[in-house]
Amino acid sequence: DGGITQSPKYLFRKEGQNVTLSCEQNLNHDAMYWYRQDPGQGLRLIYYSQIVNDFQKGDIAEGYSVSREKKESFPLTVTSAQKNPTAFYLCASSIGYRSDSPLHFGNGTRLTVT
Amino acid sequence: GDSVTQMEGPVTLSEEAFLTINCTYTATGYPSLFWYVQYPGEGLQLLLKATKADDKGSNKGFEATYRKETTSFHLEKGSVQVSDSAVYFCARRAGANNLFFGTGTRLTVIP
Repeated sequence: DGGITQSPKYLFRKEGQNVTLSCEQNLNHDAMYWYRQDPGQGLRLIYYSQIVNDFQKGDIAEGYSVSREKKESFPLTVTSAQKNPTAFYLCASSIGYRSDSPLHFGNGTRLTVT
Repeated sequence: GDSVTQMEGPVTLSEEAFLTINCTYTATGYPSLFWYVQYPGEGLQLLLKATKADDKGSNKGFEATYRKETTSFHLEKGSVQVSDSAVYFCARRAGANNLFFGTGTRLTVIP
């Protein structure tokens, strides 16, 4: 079955450490996205990529970095510069970036930084 | 600016009750509208969508109609089940990164 795989499901890190969250899709989708979800808030866009080797900042990109070296993969690095990194991170993809293209989501990674 | 406003939760209903979750959006351009559902500990799943005015999206007994005149896309279900307990997100999309989600409405259905 096609889908989006995020790993690990739970991740614990000490403050000051960088951490990379994995996102892989086998849907052959061009566009991929990273969102952050905090309790009681909607989803906030961190980064998105419409095509390999290209990506754009979203609304809350500070303290995060991404790469898109392969179509299937869009890893997110949470750096030590991110002030409040503890959150639920969701990766998504879509066939294209037209308005009628829905997003397909992975099951998320819950990051806890202490 | 572009935004989506949806009904504050939480919503608690008895099984077989009628459900309405309100959603309104700002009308810049001609967005497509979506409802997503999130079960505990999981990502979001597409529930239904509508891409133009007067379209009705439907899935699993849920329905929502794209109302341009009231800029609304309210989610309805005639008879909810315990398994419908989840968080529901309304979203609008008008391009590559022009995708906005509401803050989510938590629904709990009690037997």
